[in-house]
Amino acid sequence: GAVVSQHPSWVICKSGTSVKIECRSLDFQATTMFWYRQFPKQSLMLMATSNEGSKATYEQGVEKDKFLINHASLTLSTLTVTSAHPEDSSFYICSARNGTRLLWDYEQYFGPGTRLTVT
Amino acid sequence: SQQGEEDPQALSIQEGENATMNCSYKTSINNLQWYRQNSGRGLVHLILIRSNEREKHSGRLRVTLDTSKKSSSLLITASRAADTASYFCASGGYQKVTFGTGTKLQVIP
Repeated sequence: GAVVSQHPSWVICKSGTSVKIECRSLDFQATTMFWYRQFPKQSLMLMATSNEGSKATYEQGVEKDKFLINHASLTLSTLTVTSAHPEDSSFYICSARNGTRLLWDYEQYFGPGTRLTVT
Repeated sequence: SQQGEEDPQALSIQEGENATMNCSYKTSINNLQWYRQNSGRGLVHLILIRSNEREKHSGRLRVTLDTSKKSSSLLITASRAADTASYFCASGGYQKVTFGTGTKLQVIP
């Protein structure tokens, strides 16, 4: 099956620093990757959609200058939380869509998530 | 908010019983998917049902879809303690999926 990895799985950083999270599709080409955040006991909220080689599309209310997304290749997307603050502490999950699948039938493959704690 | 709603928010049943979760969504979809999430972990894809399908089975899972009511249900039969998790529906358009609020299922051994 399709596998998506995330690195790191957890990270603790000090307020004001930046943190980069990687999302990789291991055995398929991901033309589109999605970034979600999840607060404790809540659902996933889509932050942005990134297509390989183009700028990410951010959801309403998500600061694009704070959450920098780069999708430089068909197997790698990165999310950088800049100048992190305690309120950015959350569970960040990426997903990737197999570019060879029909749009009708697309299934997202999720990474295991990254837990960010900002102190 | 574009999020769908799930019902119930929490469900506690005995092992062996059936568990039914419902999901409502707001916009037209191409497909609807159900995911499971164990506490603090990533999501596991369970099943995808297309908008032109009404029912789909996968092992102990049965999913129905009623596009006229913009609703779906997930039935887990003969539940096991290992089914304890949160379950989310995700309604899909061409570009992205929108997650429901989730149902937290507890199966008591």
